[in-house]
Amino acid sequence: GIQVEQSPPDLILQEGANSTLRCNFSDSVNNLQWFHQNPWGQLINLFYIPSGTKQNGRLSATTVATERYSLLYISSSQTTDSGVYFCAGDQAGTALIFGKGTTLSVSS
Amino acid sequence: DGGITQSPKYLFRKEGQNVTLSCEQNLNHDAMYWYRQDPGQGLRLIYYSQIVNDFQKGDIAEGYSVSREKKESFPLTVTSAQKNPTAFYLCATTPLLGYTEAFFGQGTRLTVV
Repeated sequence: GIQVEQSPPDLILQEGANSTLRCNFSDSVNNLQWFHQNPWGQLINLFYIPSGTKQNGRLSATTVATERYSLLYISSSQTTDSGVYFCAGDQAGTALIFGKGTTLSVSS
Repeated sequence: DGGITQSPKYLFRKEGQNVTLSCEQNLNHDAMYWYRQDPGQGLRLIYYSQIVNDFQKGDIAEGYSVSREKKESFPLTVTSAQKNPTAFYLCATTPLLGYTEAFFGQGTRLTVV
């Protein structure tokens, strides 16, 4: 099966800073998603982004499918952005495979 | 109100007991999935089902069992054969297996006492 590698594993920021999270895949994937896991454990869908670029407020994501990676950008970070960010992808007829996540801590 | 409902939120099990975690959806999605999350780890796939009366093992199926008798429901049983069942369990759905966006329930936290 595919392998998903996320970097960095941990990230500590001051409020207002920008950051980039990266996700690499060992093989091509059909569906690529970014999630934010809140303190209660729920996975919040951030982006469904098999290719191209999307933006939602202070967050944006870019997937370069031919090079098997995706980037999540967080601008002007806030304390509420803290948590764990996961990327996941799948191939036809299979289930989503997750990376180990990036733990983001934003302090005021 | 559409969505995925997992119950209970918290579950305590004595060693040697089987317990069943519930996952119900009213999104009319064909495919359903169970994942396990350990502290500081990503999600690992336990079982998935792409249609009623069909399911497949994931990467860590040993010690678990599932059934899919109805489209809306995909219960997970943690058996006594599961050596280390304490974890956070998440259920997900997609319209079809391996296509489009996945959505998750709020999870069940299982603790062995």
